Amino acid sequence: AQTVTQSQPEMSVQEAETVTLSCTYDTSESDYYLFWYKQPPSRQMILVIRQEAYKQQNATENRFSVNFQKAAKSFSLKISDSQLGDAAMYFCAYRRLNNNAGNMLTFGGGTRLMVKP
Amino acid sequence: GAGVSQSPRYKVAKRGRDVALRCDSISGHVTLYWYRQTLGQGSEVLTYSQSDAQRDKSGRPSGRFSAERPERSVSTLKIQRTEQGDSAVYLCASSPRQLAKNIQYFGAGTRLSVL
Repeated sequence: AQTVTQSQPEMSVQEAETVTLSCTYDTSESDYYLFWYKQPPSRQMILVIRQEAYKQQNATENRFSVNFQKAAKSFSLKISDSQLGDAAMYFCAYRRLNNNAGNMLTFGGGTRLMVKP
Repeated sequence: GAGVSQSPRYKVAKRGRDVALRCDSISGHVTLYWYRQTLGQGSEVLTYSQSDAQRDKSGRPSGRFSAERPERSVSTLKIQRTEQGDSAVYLCASSPRQLAKNIQYFGAGTRLSVL
């Protein structure tokens, strides 16, 4: 079974600074997807960024980028120029590439990011 | 154009009672998922359904969890004989198709407290 681990329950960053959230996972699959979701307080989770495991190039979405190390099974999220609106819970998630059982996500425990003005 | 909507947002139940949580997904989405989110443990999938078919994810104890899909874009998660350990946030998600590339869109969740 796949597992996803986020070792940082909480992180804080000064506004305009850069922060990196860690995520490691365990799988025997060679092809899969990795995701970072953001969940603001009392609001729904929204997708921040997605990485296909077969792509060597790290995904980037504006101020958000990932460092995908497939051999190490590591998938960290870097947030540049942090903004107050980035404060939220961040969840790392894994999904098999082709899953006839429904493409369910496996989530990590989450990291609460606080942004200091 | 509304996203995934869940109701109620908060639910308090006495231990042993049955509860029903509702999810209204995005129109046209095919697959609906229910996840259970507990603090520090992330989210685990409870069940999912594709179109009108209901498929349960193994792992939930004693079959107390089930989902119905009375309409294509509506799902109801039913928890029978609630236990204190069922206290969690229940998330509903939907996706357009049963294809690997499609992402899931989440609701804001229902926070269930079992006393």
